[in-house]
Amino acid sequence: AQKITQTQPGMFVQEKEAVTLDCTYDTSDPSYGLFWYKQPSSGEMIFLIYQGSYDQQNATEGRYSLNFQKARKSANLVISASQLGDSAMYFCAIPAGGTSYGKLTFGQGTILTVHP
Amino acid sequence: NAGVMQNPRHLVRRRGQEARLRCSPMKGHSHVYWYRQLPEEGLKFMVYLQKENIIDESGMPKERFSAEFPKEGPSILRIQQVVRGDSAAYFCASSRPDGTTYEQYFGPGTRLTVT
Repeated sequence: AQKITQTQPGMFVQEKEAVTLDCTYDTSDPSYGLFWYKQPSSGEMIFLIYQGSYDQQNATEGRYSLNFQKARKSANLVISASQLGDSAMYFCAIPAGGTSYGKLTFGQGTILTVHP
Repeated sequence: NAGVMQNPRHLVRRRGQEARLRCSPMKGHSHVYWYRQLPEEGLKFMVYLQKENIIDESGMPKERFSAEFPKEGPSILRIQQVVRGDSAAYFCASSRPDGTTYEQYFGPGTRLTVT
């Protein structure tokens, strides 16, 4: 069974600075993927970024990038040039059974607060 | 292209009543997942359905909870005889049937409050 751990309950960052949100995982599947979602105070779940374990380069989507280190089993989210609107809860998640789709196991989440 | 629709957005039930939560997947999506988020926690998988089939219900409580995804109409998550511990946000997500794409799109959630 997969396990996801987010060890930072809360993080603070100054506007315009970069911040790294940690995520470690445990899976026995040889092939897997990692997702990051954002949940603002309004409650919806917003897909941010995905990377498969066999992808050669770290994924990037605008200001979001994944620092994927398979040997350490970590997939940290880096947000560059933080904005006030980035204040939200962030979850990493891993799909079931070595697929890139299917039911997701989520971490506990990290609350990010961006200060002006 | 409408996203995943869930209704109602907020639902208040007294203990012992039934709660019905609806989820309409994105157009072209025939896979639906239901997740529950208790306060201050991450989402927990409940059930995975395709049209007229329950594929995986390993996260569903054994009693009082049921889910369906009929050939026509939305997916329904039904909670009978609700208790205070059922108060949570319930999210559904949908994806395409062929598994070639990883996107799993979430609805806005239904916030159930049991009084």
